[in-house]
Amino acid sequence: DGGITQSPKYLFRKEGQNVTLSCEQNLNHDAMYWYRQDPGQGLRLIYYSQIVNDFQKGDIAEGYSVSREKKESFPLTVTSAQKNPTAFYLCASSMTPDPKPPQHFGDGTRLSIL
Amino acid sequence: RKEVEQDPGPFNVPEGATVAFNCTYSNSASQSFFWYRQDCRKEPKLLMSVYSSGNEDGRFTAQLNRASQYISLLIRDSKLSDSATYLCVDPTGTASKLTFGTGTRLQVTL
Repeated sequence: DGGITQSPKYLFRKEGQNVTLSCEQNLNHDAMYWYRQDPGQGLRLIYYSQIVNDFQKGDIAEGYSVSREKKESFPLTVTSAQKNPTAFYLCASSMTPDPKPPQHFGDGTRLSIL
Repeated sequence: RKEVEQDPGPFNVPEGATVAFNCTYSNSASQSFFWYRQDCRKEPKLLMSVYSSGNEDGRFTAQLNRASQYISLLIRDSKLSDSATYLCVDPTGTASKLTFGTGTRLQVTL
């Protein structure tokens, strides 16, 4: 079955710690995206990547980093510089860099501070 | 004005009722939108697209009113399983940016 797999489902971060969220897709999609969702707010774009070895900042990239070494993988690192990391993180992918819309979302990672 | 604005609800309706909610947008150049459905603590899933000609899929009808800059979602014969948050999405933006509304929560009751 094709799809997007995010792991872990739940993650806890200690103060000063970097944590990495995994996102893998086997849909052969070119573009991948990371969103953050907070209660009462819409999804906000953190980073996106249209092709391998290239990525762009979204609206709220500060305190986050990504890499795109393989087409199927787009991990997100939440660094210690992100002072309010508690949120629901969603990864998405689309066939082309034109995301109208990203058709596929992973089932998300919930990150909390210990 | 927010780029995409939705009434957060909740809209509480009995099973079998017809319910409609709107989403207003600020980008007058936008010509298409999308409705996503998001269940509690789950990922959003594409429900339907909305173009100027509107769209109907079973019990769901979406309309775009460009003059007044809003889109609507009408659900007929509501089912308990329709209970979810409905997100309005404007895909017309700078490269690769989708603008999500905050969502409207629908609760269908017996």
